[in-house]
Amino acid sequence: EAGVTQFPSHSVIEKGQTVTLRCDPISGHDNLYWYRRVMGKEIKFLLHFVKESKQDESGMPNNRFLAERTGGTYSTLKVQPAELEDSGVYFCASSQDRFYEQYFGPGTRLTVT
Amino acid sequence: LAKTTQPISMDSYEGQEVNITCSHNNIATNDYITWYQQFPSQGPRFIIQGYKTKVTNEVASLFIPADRKSSTLSLPRVSLSDTAVYYCLVGGGSYIPTFGRGTSLIVHP
Repeated sequence: EAGVTQFPSHSVIEKGQTVTLRCDPISGHDNLYWYRRVMGKEIKFLLHFVKESKQDESGMPNNRFLAERTGGTYSTLKVQPAELEDSGVYFCASSQDRFYEQYFGPGTRLTVT
Repeated sequence: LAKTTQPISMDSYEGQEVNITCSHNNIATNDYITWYQQFPSQGPRFIIQGYKTKVTNEVASLFIPADRKSSTLSLPRVSLSDTAVYYCLVGGGSYIPTFGRGTSLIVHP
């Protein structure tokens, strides 16, 4: 069974540019989560999808971040325009049951210069 | 949200048993305790989850006392490949898991 995949693995962009991160969850997992680790700090929750609906987006830092999950399959996280403080590693996770046993992807390392 | 406290780092040697304790004094009745492992440049990986008493799987054991205010992750006979950061998370139901700093375990030859 394929795990959670994320694309790209690395992205280097300039301040003000736009970047879109993609996450493909494990097939059949209705729950999809986005997290990020900024500057070696703790992993922080961003938002949670149940199928295509946003269940909780309390962790989204500001309106420069837009997450979508059309059709309840893969998800994208767009940062527009990117700022220096957005640099970090963005993780995606999926699960069958909320909270229990989340499966994480390898992460996308975003560097904003 | 239940706050967790765990040691920042631990050192061990190959073949030893490692016990990492996590404190969660304000754990709620419907909260579960989950442990994750993270290697550098990888996402966290689920290790084990429990509610009370003892849970064991092929990777680790989780000991939870009756008051559930703490839990201990036990790794039997660690190897160099067990060097990683271990996170204790508490939550359940509508709670989103909160990752703390974790415990950085270094296994020496």
